[in-house]
Amino acid sequence: GDSVTQMEGPVTLSEEAFLTINCTYTATGYPSLFWYVQYPGEGLQLLLKATKADDKGSNKGFEATYRKETTSFHLEKGSVQVSDSAVYFCALRHTGANSKLTFGKGITLSVRP
Amino acid sequence: GAGVSQSPSNKVTEKGKDVELRCDPISGHTALYWYRQSLGQGLEFLIYFQGNSAPDKSGLPSDRFSAERTGGSVSTLTIQRTQQEDSAVYLCASSIARPYEQYFGPGTRLTVT
Repeated sequence: GDSVTQMEGPVTLSEEAFLTINCTYTATGYPSLFWYVQYPGEGLQLLLKATKADDKGSNKGFEATYRKETTSFHLEKGSVQVSDSAVYFCALRHTGANSKLTFGKGITLSVRP
Repeated sequence: GAGVSQSPSNKVTEKGKDVELRCDPISGHTALYWYRQSLGQGLEFLIYFQGNSAPDKSGLPSDRFSAERTGGSVSTLTIQRTQQEDSAVYLCASSIARPYEQYFGPGTRLTVT
């Protein structure tokens, strides 16, 4: 079945460091890809998305490009801030009837001042 | 406008008891999803409702789990004879329709003692 694999965490960075969080997927058809973020004490929020190959999703300085040839959707940010400390989930949305989301296990990012 | 709301926010119950978790989706959203977030399994799909169609129950882990959606709005997830492995955060999400963005509620943290 469809699956999402994220790099192991947690990740700790200093403020203004470059961030990359790897995500690869296995899916039939042509799924849409997402990054969700969960800030401490808050619910899941959509961070960015891409719906077809070579699309780039971007938001709040984060970017991810849908790479069909490598089945990847890596999340990047050029300069992280303390406020980016959160749990990040990569997900795909199935093309089937229910459009459920399949999530990776999530990775905790901590940014030090 | 109001987002997805869930109640209770926290629930502690004894093993073997039944529990009901409630979800109020965003007004006008016809699609509703339940997910479970647990340490061992990450975020996993449980059940999906779309309008008046029969729900997709393919993610329910056992027949102790059931859900209903009344009047196309509020949904209740019921867990009978709770077990310790049911301890998790139960998340509800809604969307305008099947392929559109899912908005998540804050979740109900269930602890089975």
